[in-house]
Amino acid sequence: QKEVEQDPGPLSVPEGAIVSLNCTYSNSAFQYFMWYRQYSRKGPELLMYTYSSGNKEDGRFTAQVDKSSKYISLFIRDSQPSDSATYLCALDTGRRALTFGSGTRLQVQP
Amino acid sequence: EPEVTQTPSHQVTQMGQEVILRCVPISNHLYFYWYRQILGQKVEFLVSFYNNEISEKSEIFDDQFSVERPDGSNFTLKIRSTKLEDSAMYFCASRASGGGTDTQYFGPGTRLTVL
Repeated sequence: QKEVEQDPGPLSVPEGAIVSLNCTYSNSAFQYFMWYRQYSRKGPELLMYTYSSGNKEDGRFTAQVDKSSKYISLFIRDSQPSDSATYLCALDTGRRALTFGSGTRLQVQP
Repeated sequence: EPEVTQTPSHQVTQMGQEVILRCVPISNHLYFYWYRQILGQKVEFLVSFYNNEISEKSEIFDDQFSVERPDGSNFTLKIRSTKLEDSAMYFCASRASGGGTDTQYFGPGTRLTVL
């Protein structure tokens, strides 16, 4: 079983839609949970960072962590064409070597 | 806003040659990392570096790889004898401290092509 599973997509939605992106993980030692956005041939850009179960909101983005189910989500409200990118979940046990999901490619259609 | 920078943006080399990839982390950051991403695959951890020594490395980071902080601003990744399978994007990242609320900020990457 892979440590981190993420649906690669692609996920295509109309502009204004609510987007839900998810990762599951198997290692209960993961304590810190991040979402990065990556445009083609660019470096990952940090979007959200959480370290406890529950929700964290930042503008149009909401990160949700359920440690009991080993499930994390990123919601994007009022999606825009500029949100089109690959979204990577990244998990950290505290040893600081991030373990990434494979990324979900999102396309927001104008 | 401070950012991690990397040079060159694209490096082409012949198999068996040595390459050095360069990174300038964010100035007050203390922890430094290299990751790689083979085309179409996930980002993979290579090595972490703190206080002038390697703190953790992955199975990928074998004897062909080395890292160095030659001065107060640069952080380098050297591949001694490149293989075709070393072709990938290499990302440098840095983090301010060991605190639980800190996380890593990535540079734009160096695309390494081994012919």
